Amino acid sequence: ETGVTQSPTHLIKTRGQQVTLRCSSQSGHNTVSWYQQALGQGPQFIFQYYREEENGRGNFPPRFSGLQFPNYSSELNVNALELDDSALYLCASSHGLAGETPTDTQYFGPGTRLTVL
Amino acid sequence: SQQGEEDPQALSIQEGENATMNCSYKTSINNLQWYRQNSGRGLVHLILIRSNEREKHSGRLRVTLDTSKKSSSLLITASRAADTASYFCATDLNSGNTPLVFGKGTRLSVIA
Repeated sequence: ETGVTQSPTHLIKTRGQQVTLRCSSQSGHNTVSWYQQALGQGPQFIFQYYREEENGRGNFPPRFSGLQFPNYSSELNVNALELDDSALYLCASSHGLAGETPTDTQYFGPGTRLTVL
Repeated sequence: SQQGEEDPQALSIQEGENATMNCSYKTSINNLQWYRQNSGRGLVHLILIRSNEREKHSGRLRVTLDTSKKSSSLLITASRAADTASYFCATDLNSGNTPLVFGKGTRLSVIA
């Protein structure tokens, strides 16, 4: 039990639709990162938020966007869904900024499995 | 793109045996971490080894790091059926704002 929750657990959407995934971090964790994990692959970094500001982004198009709120909750929004967006989406929270020394452990939520038809 | 590559892709052993998984990476790192994932669910942090460390233990886990070869290994001793999972190495690069970069994982099956 990491103290990080995600909703919903599963989601089925149609190509072209929009989706919002939610994450609730551990209290006191200022950093949240989102990852996409395709079947049989390792997680791929989407972006990171630190104190409600985007603070690093992976190789994902602008239709992937996020928000972080002061109450340690955050959202991942994906517009114009494509079939290849089908994946497990993981959020992870940590106390500080990843990359600081010493690097803080990231605590992962159970994920949201998104299926795009 | 993936930074790390785990080897083997899949491993099947009997309960009680030791399991060894290897990870190779491409660029210099700040630290390397191993995670476990059950049935496509969330990742559980197992152990972190810093670039200036060579070996680290945690319970039945032993991790080594060879920065000259850009490789790490995870040893699980006296494996149990409950160890069945996917194991990922993740590198924390020196680039500041870039968080963890994961490999593709090793799927471990421990047969009772």
